[in-house]
Amino acid sequence: QQPVQSPQAVILREGEDAVINCSSSKALYSVHWYRQKHGEAPVFLMILLKGGEQKGHEKISASFNEKKQQSSLYLTASQLSYSGTYFCGTLNFMEYGNKLVFGAGTILRVKS
Amino acid sequence: DAGVTQSPTHLIKTRGQQVTLRCSPISGHKSVSWYQQVLGQGPQFIFQYYEKEERGRGNFPDRFSARQFPNYSSELNVNALLLGDSALYLCASSPLTGGYGYTFGSGTRLTVV
Repeated sequence: QQPVQSPQAVILREGEDAVINCSSSKALYSVHWYRQKHGEAPVFLMILLKGGEQKGHEKISASFNEKKQQSSLYLTASQLSYSGTYFCGTLNFMEYGNKLVFGAGTILRVKS
Repeated sequence: DAGVTQSPTHLIKTRGQQVTLRCSPISGHKSVSWYQQVLGQGPQFIFQYYEKEERGRGNFPDRFSARQFPNYSSELNVNALLLGDSALYLCASSPLTGGYGYTFGSGTRLTVV
């Protein structure tokens, strides 16, 4: 089951903040966040393994609410380099392995 | 250290043909996953291999198959190509099957004409 991301797209000016949400209808073991720039491969940002755990990467942080099966990515004081498409990936345990399922993505554009 | 290496980078095939895509994971990574990404969409899971065994399969037809070799490199095979198979095929490696982020290769751009 593909996680649902919102919003689909957001435009910011440099220095503004943004929140990207990711929700799943299934119980989650972990949530991954990736950023993909046009024509490039997705780049790993962070992984959240425990319920309620927050992780940080530069001025980008994330939270994971295990009970609500939701995760949010927080981008503060955005920079031009933050532009790209952000994907959350959710991990459920399959019968005999793992399957990281990605959302449709959130397009973030930071303007000067 | 070298990252995840995929070959070829671009490929043009005719409908009905077969194609083999290759992936070399980061040294020490034992898990390889394959994804298909169509423009404007998120990567769609195809397969995961760990220690040369298939650990996960996505909702793709049997025309798609893969394998992992003793050196942890992997191949993705697609038979009887359809126009709809045109996409970016991404390989991702991780140390184990869970609890670690994935490192993606630059992908193979497959065009079926």
